[in-house]
Amino acid sequence: TAGITQAPTSQILAAGRSMTLRCTQDMRHNAMYWYRQDLGLGLRLIHYSNTAGTTGKGEVPDGYSVSRANTDDFPLTLASAVPSQTSVYFCASSDSGANSPLHFGNGTRLTVT
Amino acid sequence: GQNIDQPTEMTATEGAIVQINCTYQTSGFNGLFWYQQHAGEAPTFLSYNVLDGLEEKGRFSSFLSRSKGYSYLLLKELQMKDSASYLCAVMDSNYQLIWGAGTKLIIKP
Repeated sequence: TAGITQAPTSQILAAGRSMTLRCTQDMRHNAMYWYRQDLGLGLRLIHYSNTAGTTGKGEVPDGYSVSRANTDDFPLTLASAVPSQTSVYFCASSDSGANSPLHFGNGTRLTVT
Repeated sequence: GQNIDQPTEMTATEGAIVQINCTYQTSGFNGLFWYQQHAGEAPTFLSYNVLDGLEEKGRFSSFLSRSKGYSYLLLKELQMKDSASYLCAVMDSNYQLIWGAGTKLIIKP
C-alpha cells in the first residue's frame, strides 16, 4: 500500500513564481491536511479538508490555497512564493474520529530564493 | 493561548530507559498523541491517550494526567534506531491538533 504520495520531493523556487505541491492518498480517508514544519517550531496547519468538496483554513493559511475535487487528491498551491515559505511541507490524512491518527506523506522540501 | 511544552533535546544510553515529558495548556482536550520522526522522514504514529493512566505498547508506553495537563512517553531497552524526534500533539475542543516542537532524542552506545 502506497499510503500518501507527495511530489516533488524537493524544489528550489524563485520568489514570485507559483507552484503546486501534489498529494495523493489511496486509503480512502475523508480528512486531509497540509502542514509546514520549521526548525524549532511544531507542525503548523496550513489548510485542511474534512471531506471531498470542502476545505478550511488552518493556523497559517496566508499565501496558500487548496482544492479537494475528490477523495484522493489534495494539492497545495503557492500563488506567488516568498522566502518565508521556505519550509518542509507535509501532507497527511486520517479517518473520521477524534482518536484517528494522522498518516503523513514523506514531505516536500521547498526553498524559495 | 494554547501551548505544548517538551524538552528540546535529550540524550540517553543504549539499553537504558528514557522518559520524555509533555505539558500542555489547551482550550479543551480530546486526546493526546505521540509521534516519532526520524531525521528527514515523515512523523509516524506511536500512541494515543484520552483517559488518565498508562498505555503500554511493547517497549514504548505513554502516560496521561488530564488534571495536571501532563503526559510522558517512556522508552525502554533503548536501541540506536530510537534516535529520532518525538512529537507530542493535543487535540483541543475544536478537534484541532496542537503540536509541540518535538524532543530530539540522541542515543549513545
